[in-house]
Amino acid sequence: QITLKESGPTLVKPTQTLTLTCTFSGFSLSTYGVGVGWVRQPPGKALEWLALIYWDDDKRISPSLKSRLTITKDTSKDQVVLTMTNMDPVDTATYFCVHKPWHQQGEYYFDFWGQGTLVTVSS
Amino acid sequence: QSVLTQPPSVSAAPGQKVTISCSGSSSNIGINYVSWYRQLPGTTPKLLIYDNNKRPSEIPDRFSGSKSGTSATLGITGLQTGDEADYYCGTWDSSLTAYVFGSGTRVTVL
Repeated sequence: QITLKESGPTLVKPTQTLTLTCTFSGFSLSTYGVGVGWVRQPPGKALEWLALIYWDDDKRISPSLKSRLTITKDTSKDQVVLTMTNMDPVDTATYFCVHKPWHQQGEYYFDFWGQGTLVTVSS
Repeated sequence: QSVLTQPPSVSAAPGQKVTISCSGSSSNIGINYVSWYRQLPGTTPKLLIYDNNKRPSEIPDRFSGSKSGTSATLGITGLQTGDEADYYCGTWDSSLTAYVFGSGTRVTVL
């Protein structure tokens, strides 16, 4: 059974750096083709993909946020960490951790999601 | 402005069928597989359809997906009150080099 759980601050101030940790179980991020990523959802708005890190440390990051995002993994701890710099009130959202399974053609979809963590950016 | 366009809302009576469209372009839906997610109110999104038309084992066959050209469609038959939710399409955009979600469609059971 795959599970993912997000942890981190619920409140950050503008200009601060947000660090979120995804702790997962039920799979290994050293397994070929597997990835773990992040998706966010501002209150009442649509989903937005942020970043993904693969089993081999390859990374994909949203071009619109590339200058602000870093994604890393610690396979020994079964964790993925997302860092977002220069936080702004518009970054207020629920941040979800997601699992991307192996796909023969390398296609993307997210079959397991964490419960999400609401991050509010306010002074 | 989402790269993938969905109708804001659709509705139908219990037992009826609804379809939700997802319109994209040649750099996303046109060349990559589409997935669909359902988000019940106040909950986490859940995968409904992947690879255009495949269902995870726990998803009933009331849910179906299809793709033609640069558009995809999610169908829900035998509509139930429990189907009231937001539905999102998603796919990789090879030009943007990003995974993109649709704008979301709210399904209401009349």
